[in-house]
Parts: sequence; C-alpha cells; structure tokens
Amino acid sequence: GQNIDQPTEMTATEGAIVQINCTYQTSGFNGLFWYQQHAGEAPTFLSYNVLDGLEEKGRFSSFLSRSKGYSYLLLKELQMKDSASYLCAVGDYKLSFGAGTTVTVRA
Amino acid sequence: SAVISQKPSRDICQRGTSLTIQCQVDSQVTMMFWYRQQPGQSLTLIATANQGSEATYESGFVIDKFPISRPNLTFSTLTVSNMSPEDSSIYLCSVHSGREYNEQFFGPGTRLTVL
Repeated sequence: GQNIDQPTEMTATEGAIVQINCTYQTSGFNGLFWYQQHAGEAPTFLSYNVLDGLEEKGRFSSFLSRSKGYSYLLLKELQMKDSASYLCAVGDYKLSFGAGTTVTVRA
Repeated sequence: SAVISQKPSRDICQRGTSLTIQCQVDSQVTMMFWYRQQPGQSLTLIATANQGSEATYESGFVIDKFPISRPNLTFSTLTVSNMSPEDSSIYLCSVHSGREYNEQFFGPGTRLTVL
C-alpha cells in the first residue's frame, strides 16, 4: 500500500518562498508527481521526479530523495494566483495522492 | 497536451438512481483512468478503463457499483449506480500522456450531489 503525508496548510506572503514537504512509504516506487489544484478546478501537472535531485521549472522546483522517501515542492516569488492546493502523488500510470497542502498567499 | 472534456459538468440526483459520466479526449490515448474526489479530500483512483476489455478496479470499488465502458481510444464512461448521498463527489477522468515523461492530464471533473 501507499502512505503519503504532507502538511495540511501553509501561509506565506506575496514574493516569499514556500517549501511543501511530502514523505511517502510505498510498496514500489515509479515516480513522484506534484499537482496544483485551484478550488473547484481539476488538478494541473506541475512536476515529475523519478531520479534523486532537483528539477527546476521556472518559479517551481521539485526535489526527490528516494532513499529517504522524501520530496519537496519549492515555490519562489509567490504570487496571489499561487493560492491553491498542492497535491503530492506517487506511482506511474496509476497515482496515489496525498491529502494535499492548501497554500494561502497573503499580500 | 491532451484536452479532456467531461459531461455533465455537474448534476444533482436522487437517491437510488444512476448517472453516467462521459469523458472525451482530443487524441488517442492508451490509458484512461477514473478518480473520485470527495468533499475536502484528495483524489482516489477508482479504476483503469481498458479499451476492448473489462476495467481494472482498485480495492474498495466494484464493477456493479461503478460500471465503466471504453469503446475506443478517445472515449470512456463511468456510471455511478444506485446512488446514495455518500456518492456525492467530484468524478474526474485522466489520461496518461507518456510523451516526454509520465505526465497525466485530468478532465475538468463532474460534480455530483446525491440527495
């Protein structure tokens, strides 16, 4: 089975940096995904890590350590539109999701 | 990226009835999936929709309750049968892209309320 943990809520100020941690325990590992979900909308793909290390995509970066069962999503230069839920998921074609972290960006 | 549409976008249904949700993709995809997102919760995989064969269900989900069809590589339906208020949820279909990397796209979702 899969056990995926991430904080429930985080709050940060516009322009700041926020790091969302995700720890997982899985029977097998094929990759780790981060999704962004605005209220009332479908999740949108942010990043995919299958090897250890940091993947950078603009203001968003994602890190993976397979030996530690740990990942984080780093959001830099926060904007108001980044207020959303961020979902950590593991799997390959079939994904198991964490409960999501609600990030609130304040002016 | 794949463009996915779902019908209906939302519905309010009576207990004991059934609702069929349609998912249409703008390109042929090998793998299609159905997820459920209950109020305030994260996504849970219901089943993999297999083209030309029976769907593969995850633990806790059965074909009698959630029959799935996949007649071709661009279309699938999920039926929520004999509904109860506990079935009130958002139902999303997703497809696997697999071009550059393991990217999955989600449809806009169907918001179901059962009274």
